[in-house]
Amino acid sequence: SAVISQKPSRDICQRGTSLTIQCQVDSQVTMMFWYRQQPGQSLTLIATANQGSEATYESGFVIDKFPISRPNLTFSTLTVSNMSPEDSSIYLCSAGGGSNQPQHFGDGTRLSIL
Amino acid sequence: DAKTTQPPSMDCAEGRAANLPCNHSTISGNEYVYWYRQIHSQGPQYIIHGLKNNETNEMASLIITEDRKSSTLILPHATLRDTAVYYCIVSFMNYGGSQGNLIFGKGTKLSVKP
Repeated sequence: SAVISQKPSRDICQRGTSLTIQCQVDSQVTMMFWYRQQPGQSLTLIATANQGSEATYESGFVIDKFPISRPNLTFSTLTVSNMSPEDSSIYLCSAGGGSNQPQHFGDGTRLSIL
Repeated sequence: DAKTTQPPSMDCAEGRAANLPCNHSTISGNEYVYWYRQIHSQGPQYIIHGLKNNETNEMASLIITEDRKSSTLILPHATLRDTAVYYCIVSFMNYGGSQGNLIFGKGTKLSVKP
């Protein structure tokens, strides 16, 4: 199964700033996903990122707020832009390939906005 | 919205089998049942998945009813380390075999007690 590494593991940021979260996979994967987990809540899908195409965003999430890059088959970034305290959450990356392979998750980035 | 219904919490004695139920009465013919768990401060961990046959791996067994409207995840000998939130998710398989989007519900918080 794929091993997912996220950086940073946690950060404390000032409101109005932006943070880019990196997700590295130890093997080539077709699909990568970004989720948000607000305090005490379940995971919510932000967007799907396929290499070579624009990310597909779920309802309630927009590219200007959460721009995503997918430059190759092992790496993706999520930027949280113009942060406010409401953006304080855990942001998780997952990756899944074909051939009946399930998604595997990183341990997330714990983000606190002051 | 999640297409599954799970009890919010369950207790299990250490060493006993933990049986976690899940209802998915609106499951489509091409949708699989996936189980993940999330241990505190970690990303979700894939456990098992199935379409219509019962499945077993080194972690657990998955029993799917004949009408596919419900399933049960079985941890045969629960340990304290199995304390986690368990998520039952239905998801289709994309053309080419890649897993579709995961819509997380609230899951079942399993507490394994000594």
